Amino acid sequence: SQQGEEDPQALSIQEGENATMNCSYKTSINNLQWYRQNSGRGLVHLILIRSNEREKHSGRLRVTLDTSKKSSSLLITASRAADTASYFCATFSGGNTGKLIFGQGTTLQVKP
Amino acid sequence: DTAVSQTPKYLVTQMGNDKSIKCEQNLGHDTMYWYKQDSKKFLKIMFSYNNKELIINETVPNRFSPKSPDKAHLNLHINSLELGDSAVYFCASSQKRVTEAFFGQGTRLTVV
Repeated sequence: SQQGEEDPQALSIQEGENATMNCSYKTSINNLQWYRQNSGRGLVHLILIRSNEREKHSGRLRVTLDTSKKSSSLLITASRAADTASYFCATFSGGNTGKLIFGQGTTLQVKP
Repeated sequence: DTAVSQTPKYLVTQMGNDKSIKCEQNLGHDTMYWYKQDSKKFLKIMFSYNNKELIINETVPNRFSPKSPDKAHLNLHINSLELGDSAVYFCASSQKRVTEAFFGQGTRLTVV
């Protein structure tokens, strides 16, 4: 079953604006991860936030985690055309199996 | 150097054929995965190997058979290909079973 679900499914913004994507998950987690996928390419790991962390930053990326609501958000500030991609959240299904489950993803288009 | 490499990148074949996709990682990771991404970009885990041992086998038809000759390689063999097997297949690896995963570029399989 799907663990993470993203919202919105698609987002279109102008260069320079901020983009916020949300992710909800169903079970308890050790960590939550965000990945980016450019068109026709593989997934690239962006950031990992542990279950005992509430917020994490990496460059123009800011991730928050609310374990009580089982949700996370990814904020990209001052977006660029190069940020155009699909963004996925992912969590492990529990235990130590390494079963990394992805949400449906948010397709972000940044218009120059 | 490419961290996780898969070959071929594109594969077009007829129904009923048997094909293989190869994957190699040079990161020294213990765990490797196969994921299938459908036309709606949904990523579903198929298999996971840890040190050549099968850890996860996700209700995948037994026409799909992974093989891990060593911990740096995880190949996927598919027998009697069907139209529904058309998808992008991603290989990935991680250092431990609950850390970030590194993905290959994907193999776009088209069954005609």
